Amino acid sequence: DTGVSQDPRHKITKRGQNVTFRCDPISEHNRLYWYRQTLGQGPEFLTYFQNEAQLEKSRLLSDRFSAERPKGSFSTLEIQRTEQGDSAMYLCASSQRFGLARGYNEQFFGPGTRLTVL
Amino acid sequence: GESVGLHLPTLSVQEGDNSIINCAYSNSASDYFIWYKQESGKGPQFIIDIRSNMDKRQGQRVTVLLNKTVKHLSLQIAATQPGDSAVYFCAENKGKIIFGKGTRLHILP
Repeated sequence: DTGVSQDPRHKITKRGQNVTFRCDPISEHNRLYWYRQTLGQGPEFLTYFQNEAQLEKSRLLSDRFSAERPKGSFSTLEIQRTEQGDSAMYLCASSQRFGLARGYNEQFFGPGTRLTVL
Repeated sequence: GESVGLHLPTLSVQEGDNSIINCAYSNSASDYFIWYKQESGKGPQFIIDIRSNMDKRQGQRVTVLLNKTVKHLSLQIAATQPGDSAVYFCAENKGKIIFGKGTRLHILP
């Protein structure tokens, strides 16, 4: 399968625990995005990387959240000291930027990691 | 704040009929819109996009219309099938994707 993959697909944790999710983008894509989706809502942007550089972070990304993309390939999203409000679907997407001065290329989404904080 | 939004949270359509899902946006400078389909347990899937220099774009069984005067866009699905049952989002692509709330499309037998 050459699409975006995410692991795990489901995670149940107790409040206060740390969790880490992984995203593997489409192999030639240099941009990687994280979104969060709560029940009944559309996905909300969290952060994105171009290669290994984290270029933008949403205000939704509190200090308990950290994302990395150390080699410009896969990315991890860690949530420390989880809270019940962190329960959501965490989606990853990737795209290829061809160096255009302006223009945004199609983002391909993974299946998401559903987090439940008890 | 949210720059795109859908009119109806749910829409029920008879199988075989055409479906029309509407969306409004607030920023007249917005120039790139996308429709996504999200099935249960899956991530959003790209359906069709349109840029502000176009009024209409057609794909396979889908058409997107953009009315810049009233800042409105719509997704038309021809001959709706059971496999079209999903939540549909209109979204603006600003590098990051700005999603609206979504419309759940129910297909009636």
